[in-house]
Amino acid sequence: GQQVMQIPQYQHVQEGEDFTTYCNSSTTLSNIQWYKQRPGGHPVFLIQLVKSGEVKKQKRLTFQFGEAKKNSSLHITATQTTDVGTYFCAGERGGSYIPTFGRGTSLIVHP
Amino acid sequence: GAGVSQSPSNKVTEKGKDVELRCDPISGHTALYWYRQSLGQGLEFLIYFQGNSAPDKSGLPSDRFSAERTGGSVSTLTIQRTQQEDSAVYLCASSSGDSPLHFGNGTRLTVT
Repeated sequence: GQQVMQIPQYQHVQEGEDFTTYCNSSTTLSNIQWYKQRPGGHPVFLIQLVKSGEVKKQKRLTFQFGEAKKNSSLHITATQTTDVGTYFCAGERGGSYIPTFGRGTSLIVHP
Repeated sequence: GAGVSQSPSNKVTEKGKDVELRCDPISGHTALYWYRQSLGQGLEFLIYFQGNSAPDKSGLPSDRFSAERTGGSVSTLTIQRTQQEDSAVYLCASSSGDSPLHFGNGTRLTVT
């Protein structure tokens, strides 16, 4: 079945450093979604990418979808303590409306 | 309601007992999902309902797990003869069309 791999599992950074998490799918995706889960909370939708090579920005967050629509990345510039949480990618195959989630990357920001 | 509502928020049960978890999706959302999240793990898909179509049960880990959705709205996830490995946070999400998933706060299930 479809697998979505996400690395790294954990990332410690000093406040102000950059952070990147990577997501790879075993199959071509129709879209990829990113969610953030704060400690003790539930996943909250951040963004969806649909087009090959698409790049979207939200303030300090930059999301990319690969040309082959099999990989994606989330980059945070100049991390802040409010960025702490687990970031999940979730990919959907064509014809399926069931997102397959990666295991997530837990970001720990040290002040 | 304003968001997806799940109850109970916490459930402690003895091994072998049955449990029912409830999800009340956002009004008007036709799609409803159940996922399971074990400690420090990702989200494991369990079951998907879309409108009046037959549900996609491909993620249910065993025949002890079942779910239903009445009237296209509220859903109940039932786990029979619970085992310790069933301990996890059970998350419900709903969506409408191509919209993203809106998650509830989850039910934390502990099987002792």
